[in-house]
Amino acid sequence: GNSVTQMEGPVTLSEEAFLTINCTYTATGYPSLFWYVQYPGEGLQLLLKATKADDKGSNKGFEATYRKETTSFHLEKGSVQVSDSAVYFCALNGGVAGGGADGLTFGKGTHLIIQP
Amino acid sequence: DAGVIQSPRHEVTEMGQEVTLRCKPISGHNSLFWYRQTMMRGLELLIYFNNNVPIDDSGMPEDRFSAKMPNASFSTLKIQPSEPRDSAVYFCASSLVTGKGEKLFFGSGTQLSVL
Repeated sequence: GNSVTQMEGPVTLSEEAFLTINCTYTATGYPSLFWYVQYPGEGLQLLLKATKADDKGSNKGFEATYRKETTSFHLEKGSVQVSDSAVYFCALNGGVAGGGADGLTFGKGTHLIIQP
Repeated sequence: DAGVIQSPRHEVTEMGQEVTLRCKPISGHNSLFWYRQTMMRGLELLIYFNNNVPIDDSGMPEDRFSAKMPNASFSTLKIQPSEPRDSAVYFCASSLVTGKGEKLFFGSGTQLSVL
């Protein structure tokens, strides 16, 4: 079945540092890939997505590139801010047709802490 | 749009009691999902509905858990009887399925504590 593996946290960085959160996946076919962010006391929000190989999703300075050859979708940001402190979830959807109503499969989440 | 609305935000109950969690999806969305989040297991899909019909409930942990979606604007997740190990945050999410990489919209969750 589908699965997502992301790096264990917490990840603690200083403000303006470079961020990478690794994510790899296992799926059949052609899944869509997502990064969601969860701020304290809130539900998850979509941060970015990519629906096919070599696509780059980007939003709020975050980027991730869909790498089919390495089955990866690593999240990066060049200069993090204290306000980026949150839990980040990598997820995939579908796999057979790239879409579908079968729900997202999430990684366990990476807690990011940015210190001033 | 008000987004996905869940109630209550917090629920504290005693072991053995019935618990009902409620969700109002975004108007026009045709799929609804119930997730459970714990520190140990992360985010788990419990069940999802498409056009009000349960499609996959393989994630429902036990017969004590049941979910219904009587119409397009309302769903419930019921636990009867509740146990301390059911303590978690329960999220409802909805989406409009188009087959092009669906985006889920999450509610703010219900924090359930079973004593």
